[in-house]
Amino acid sequence: AQRVTQPEKLLSVFKGAPVELKCNYSYSGSPELFWYVQYSRQRLQLLLRHISRESIKGFTADLNKGETSFHLKKPFAQEEDSAMYYCALTGTYKYIFGTGTRLKVLA
Amino acid sequence: NAGVTQTPKFRILKIGQSMTLQCTQDMNHNYMYWYRQDPGMGLKLIYYSVGAGITDKGEVPNGYNVSRSTTEDFPLRLELAAPSQTSVYFCASSDLRDSNEKLFFGSGTQLSVL
Repeated sequence: AQRVTQPEKLLSVFKGAPVELKCNYSYSGSPELFWYVQYSRQRLQLLLRHISRESIKGFTADLNKGETSFHLKKPFAQEEDSAMYYCALTGTYKYIFGTGTRLKVLA
Repeated sequence: NAGVTQTPKFRILKIGQSMTLQCTQDMNHNYMYWYRQDPGMGLKLIYYSVGAGITDKGEVPNGYNVSRSTTEDFPLRLELAAPSQTSVYFCASSDLRDSNEKLFFGSGTQLSVL
């Protein structure tokens, strides 16, 4: 079955602390993995995708096929990172989203 | 270039009423999607379309219908509204011919069924 699991509904960290949002997936094939973000009163938007291997707003995510994980990391959290984060995969043309993790960065 | 436009932004329905959520995109994307977002449940796919005239069910299609008569428009129809359909609805589009493959989302429709 195709599934994306985000085990944490809420993650609170202090400003300047490291952040790791967990994402595990189940897919029979080679999916594309993404992180989408929804800031307060804004549209859902793409944060990064694994195939680009880029860093966006200080965030990185490495695809670990052995552990079927795609955790999102940032070494030093900022208050403006507070948002809802969704991990997603697509293998054909259907996106499957996780349940999301709300990140709160405390001053 | 407006991207993905959804209307209305807010709506309150009575049980048993019907309504259509409108979605249009001006990016000539073939792929369009309807999601609902419930607290703690993330985004669930309702219906999707890979091109004009082609639609298919997602994870939670019951109680909804869609049509795709043009590339631009992908309306979502609720025939007999139920309280379980209270949610935030998002329309999205993508062009899988583009190497970016990212989803472009609308601003959402907040629907309450009372």
